Amino acid sequence: GENVEQHPSTLSVQEGDSAVIKCTYSDSASNYFPWYKQELGKRPQLIIDIRSNVGEKKDQRIAVTLNKTAKHFSLHITETQPEDSAVYFCAASPSPYSGYSTLTFGKGTMLLVSP
Amino acid sequence: SAVISQKPSRDICQRGTSLTIQCQVDSQVTMMFWYRQQPGQSLTLIATANQGSEATYESGFVIDKFPISRPNLTFSTLTVSNMSPEDSSIYLCSVEGTGDTQYFGPGTRLTVL
Repeated sequence: GENVEQHPSTLSVQEGDSAVIKCTYSDSASNYFPWYKQELGKRPQLIIDIRSNVGEKKDQRIAVTLNKTAKHFSLHITETQPEDSAVYFCAASPSPYSGYSTLTFGKGTMLLVSP
Repeated sequence: SAVISQKPSRDICQRGTSLTIQCQVDSQVTMMFWYRQQPGQSLTLIATANQGSEATYESGFVIDKFPISRPNLTFSTLTVSNMSPEDSSIYLCSVEGTGDTQYFGPGTRLTVL
């Protein structure tokens, strides 16, 4: 089955800096890669996703890049703000066109943004 | 995205007992999923629930321990049976949106004494 590795486990940055979280996956059949943000005591919230036919996707201060050859994808947050502090999870999923897909999650990255 | 609710939001149970968690969504969805998130850990898929068929369980999870019902397209239940302290976790349901997206319910925080 799929295995997703996520690094780093914790990341501390100053407000205004950029943050990068990296994930690798093992199953070459995976082609959907979402990122979730989970604040303390709350549900995971989908913040951005990318599919294998796209190399990069951007939404305001958040961007995700995908390298299918190397089987890794990354989350980039620019101009970080204290409210970005949370645990971020990457996930991978096999083909979306085979009925339904299941998500395999990375272990998470705790991002701390200091004012 | 769909509005998803779970009941109860939290519970404290004695070992050996069972707890049934409900997940309700405000629109019809084909697939619903149940996850476990142990304290400070990531999310692990327990099973996938498709209306009208038996749930599909992931490796390490069995129907006798985690029976699931999916009576219609807006509702599902997960039962945690014969509980032990190791079952203390947050249990989350999720629903499939368009294009493989998944949206999570608020979770049920279970403590087993």
